[in-house]
Order: sequence, then C-alpha cells, then structure tokens
Amino acid sequence: GQQLNQSPQSMFIQEGEDVSMNCTSSSIFNTWLWYKQDPGEGPVLLIALYKAGELTSNGRLTAQFGITRKDSFLNISASIPSDVGIYFCAGQKGSSGDKLTFGTGTRLAVRP
Amino acid sequence: DAGVIQSPRHEVTEMGQEVTLRCKPISGHDYLFWYRQTMMRGLELLIYFNNNVPIDDSGMPEDRFSAKMPNASFSTLKIQPSEPRDSAVYFCASSWDISNEKLFFGSGTQLSVL
Repeated sequence: GQQLNQSPQSMFIQEGEDVSMNCTSSSIFNTWLWYKQDPGEGPVLLIALYKAGELTSNGRLTAQFGITRKDSFLNISASIPSDVGIYFCAGQKGSSGDKLTFGTGTRLAVRP
Repeated sequence: DAGVIQSPRHEVTEMGQEVTLRCKPISGHDYLFWYRQTMMRGLELLIYFNNNVPIDDSGMPEDRFSAKMPNASFSTLKIQPSEPRDSAVYFCASSWDISNEKLFFGSGTQLSVL
C-alpha cells in the first residue's frame, strides 16, 4: 500500500541538539499524526494536527501541518537520551475513521 | 489501566504451522484493530472490529489469515498455514472512538516463521 516518505531515515545526534524531521506525500491529507515507537513497544501518539498551517506543541516537541496538506514536520528541541526511538508520521485522508497511512519512520539515536 | 495486552510477545514457528496471536483490548473500547509492521511495508492495517463485528478486512493479505472477536475483551489473529514471509511484528490496538488519534497500541507480537 501507499506509504508516506519520511526523512531522514535515521539520525544520530548529540544530546542537547535540536532535531527536525519531515513527512511528505503526493496526496492531500486532512489529518496528520505523529507517533513515537520505543524498542519492543507499540507506537504512542505524540501530536495530532487537523488544519493546514496548524502548529502544535507537546513539551519539547512541535509539529506543523504543511500548508499544501501534503506534508508535515516534527521538531524536537534540546534532545535527551530518552528521545531515542522511531518516529512515525501518519496521515488520514477523509473523515474521522478513515484508514491511516503510516510513514516509513525516522530512527533517532541520541549520544549522551 | 493495563493497556492493550498482547500475547505471546514472541513466537517462533516453522513454516506450515498454525499461529494464533491474542489481544485483550482496553476495557470499554469498542474498536479493535490489527496491524502488521515490516521493514519493507511499514505499518499496515489488516482488519478492524466495532462492537465485536469485523468492519473492514480489506487489509488481510490472504485467506491464510483470519481474525475473530468472540467478545468485547478478546480477539485472535490466526495464520494457517504460516509462511516465512509472514514474519513481522503484529500489533493490536483499541479505541473508544473511530477517530484514529485515539488509538492505543499493544506491545506487539514478534513473529518469526522459519
């Protein structure tokens, strides 16, 4: 099935650095979600975005719904070791309840 | 709250064997979803239930896959016969609402078919 393209695929950064990742699609989505998956666990929702241009924060995380509705961005400020994991974006095209399309994931490693 | 509980956490089996994965959703959640995660295809929705009734099984890859939800607190995903290409992590998720942003995922079952 269709996947959303995430970049970068992986990042290895120093603790304290800021992180930016993005998610792009050739299709328009009406909802964008960002998840984090810890090793050996299921994805956990971080942020949900509902309107083009929307900017939403959750602690050190900030996500934006792209104006074209074909992309979304996630920033993590002042990274810490527990930020390690895989970050997934997910898009929903239609009304609430439509299938989610998941991104390919960005694997983040943080060096203390 | 115990969250979504899946068992087993790991399953190693031989090709041709039957595999049964189990899920207990969060109490009070009316929706239950089965996802499969692989490196090649990422997270894919296989099937979901509402009030124990299968609503959309279009993601189920083949007839070898079947899912049941006999009651509100239990669901199974069965693969018979299993094949090496079925190796993946299988996640169960539940929600009290059809809205995807209210999904809670289990810890997954890592399946290896040799």
